[in-house]
Amino acid sequence: LAKTTQPISMDSYEGQEVNITCSHNNIATNDYITWYQQFPSQGPRFIIQGYKTKVTNEVASLFIPADRKSSTLSLPRVSLSDTAVYYCLVGERDDKIIFGKGTRLHILP
Amino acid sequence: DTEVTQTPKHLVMGMTNKKSLKCEQHMGHRAMYWYKQKAKKPPELMFVYSYEKLSINESVPSRFSPECPNSSLLNLHLHALQPEDSALYLCASSHRAGGPETQYFGPGTRLLVL
Repeated sequence: LAKTTQPISMDSYEGQEVNITCSHNNIATNDYITWYQQFPSQGPRFIIQGYKTKVTNEVASLFIPADRKSSTLSLPRVSLSDTAVYYCLVGERDDKIIFGKGTRLHILP
Repeated sequence: DTEVTQTPKHLVMGMTNKKSLKCEQHMGHRAMYWYKQKAKKPPELMFVYSYEKLSINESVPSRFSPECPNSSLLNLHLHALQPEDSALYLCASSHRAGGPETQYFGPGTRLLVL
């Protein structure tokens, strides 16, 4: 199972674009990259998933370089409500997923 | 309906009590999960059910006993818990287990063991 490494925490300001990078050097050929968001005392919520190049939805964009050894979650024009923990997950072995330590994003006014 | 519901929201129990946590989904998902999350830590997988059969038990102590009565329901029976078992217990479901399946999480049950 690919191990992921993310920054422990990040600060940004309202209205800014935030990019959170995740390293996954041992990603396997069939692995997908998935990002979840978690607010305090709530369950994680799926944000976006991709395999290669770029994926965009109404919430975020995910950039994946050709070697797939890293990925970047991009949140456009963040607001205070985007303050949360963001988890990068890679692949699944058998039936389980393993959450890494995540990135605590703090948006300042 | 893309919601996973969990009851109760909060639970306080003594070390000799028996209680149960309940989880329900009506999305037709055939995989359901229990996670445990301590404060400021990531969720840790406890159990996976696939097509109502237990497929993964992450070496969880026997004082935690999962049950999947049908494809929509998942229970976690608690007995003789320890104070260190106090945590947020999260239930999740996905279309199927395995592969890059998106998991839908419930709001969790906050458990305090005295």
